Amino acid sequence: GALVYQYPRRTICKSGTSMRMECQAVGFQATSVAWYRQSPQKTFELIALSTVNSAIKYEQNFTQEKFPISHPNLSFSSMTVLNAYLEDRGLYLCGARDQGGGYEQYFGPGTRLTVL
Amino acid sequence: GQQVQQSPTSLVLQEGENAELQCNFSTSLNSMQWFYQRPGGSLVSVFYNPSGTKQSGRLTSTTVIKERRSSLHISSSQITDSGTYLCAMDNTNTGKLTFGDGTVLTVKP
Repeated sequence: GALVYQYPRRTICKSGTSMRMECQAVGFQATSVAWYRQSPQKTFELIALSTVNSAIKYEQNFTQEKFPISHPNLSFSSMTVLNAYLEDRGLYLCGARDQGGGYEQYFGPGTRLTVL
Repeated sequence: GQQVQQSPTSLVLQEGENAELQCNFSTSLNSMQWFYQRPGGSLVSVFYNPSGTKQSGRLTSTTVIKERRSSLHISSSQITDSGTYLCAMDNTNTGKLTFGDGTVLTVKP
């Protein structure tokens, strides 16, 4: 079956430092990878959508300078939260699918980021 | 305004009762997906349902595109059904999922 792994599951970082999180797709080709954030008391916000062989598209309020993403192949993606502050805390979820829109998206368990 | 509206915000049931969760969309619906969010935060796909009715065990999803709505029906609810259910509108052109705020379901013995 299709599975998505994320690492680490939980992490704590000091304010102003950076933190990298990883996403691994197993059992299917992650042609499209989306990174979402669920902040406390909020629903999911799309940070960026990465499709292999296309430029990564960032949503409003999210930038490559703050959340650089790598999607080097059809099974792996990583995202870094640079210069993290309190407002960056939350659950970061990676969603991947074997096509673009119109196909079921599979999510990893998330990386929960705490910023001190 | 919010593109995806879920109702109710929360729902408390006695074990054995049925649950009806709703999602309404303010833009043209491309496709939609229902998720169950575990207490730890991870998302489990319940249904990917672009249109019509799908059933899996005690769960049934119905999407009516022209009315811009989708529903999730849970029959004979069990305590283990408790948790947060989220619907997400899938823009098949951009590949973006837009989530609703979720329904918190509590099933009591």
